[in-house]
Amino acid sequence: GIQVEQSPPDLILQEGANSTLRCNFSDSVNNLQWFHQNPWGQLINLFYIPSGTKQNGRLSATTVATERYSLLYISSSQTTDSGVYFCAVGGTSGSRLTFGEGTQLTVNP
Amino acid sequence: DTEVTQTPKHLVMGMTNKKSLKCEQHMGHRAMYWYKQKAKKPPELMFVYSYEKLSINESVPSRFSPECPNSSLLNLHLHALQPEDSALYLCASSLAGPETQYFGPGTRLLVL
Repeated sequence: GIQVEQSPPDLILQEGANSTLRCNFSDSVNNLQWFHQNPWGQLINLFYIPSGTKQNGRLSATTVATERYSLLYISSSQTTDSGVYFCAVGGTSGSRLTFGEGTQLTVNP
Repeated sequence: DTEVTQTPKHLVMGMTNKKSLKCEQHMGHRAMYWYKQKAKKPPELMFVYSYEKLSINESVPSRFSPECPNSSLLNLHLHALQPEDSALYLCASSLAGPETQYFGPGTRLLVL
């Protein structure tokens, strides 16, 4: 199956800082999503982005499918951005999503 | 409305109990999923239903039995679970196949 690697595994920021999270994947994908998991376990959709670039407020994401990576940018981070960020990918054979190990983000006031 | 609901929020059961988890969506989605997530780990796919038919079973033990009674509802029947089955169980849905999956809030299961 597809392998998904996320980096860094942990990230500590001061409020207001910017950050970039990376997701590498091992094969062609037809689905790539970024999620934020809050402390209560809820997985919140950030982006569906199998290719291209999208922006939503302080967050943006870029997927370069030909080079098999995706980046999530968080600008002007806030304490509420803390949590685990997951990249999940789906291959061309169906709707199975494989998750990376996640990036644990802590934003300090 | 992009909401997936799950009940119960928390469940404690003994190894001899039978219980069920419920998941519901009213977005007209035709694919529904069960995931299991252990602490500090990513979600792992258990089952996929597509158009109310089981399309993927990731070699899940038979003590977990999924059911899709209609296009809006997904159940997970639990029987004779082990303590290592304690986890967060997440339900998700998507329109049909490889599109955005929307997740419910999960059921935290503790098996004693």
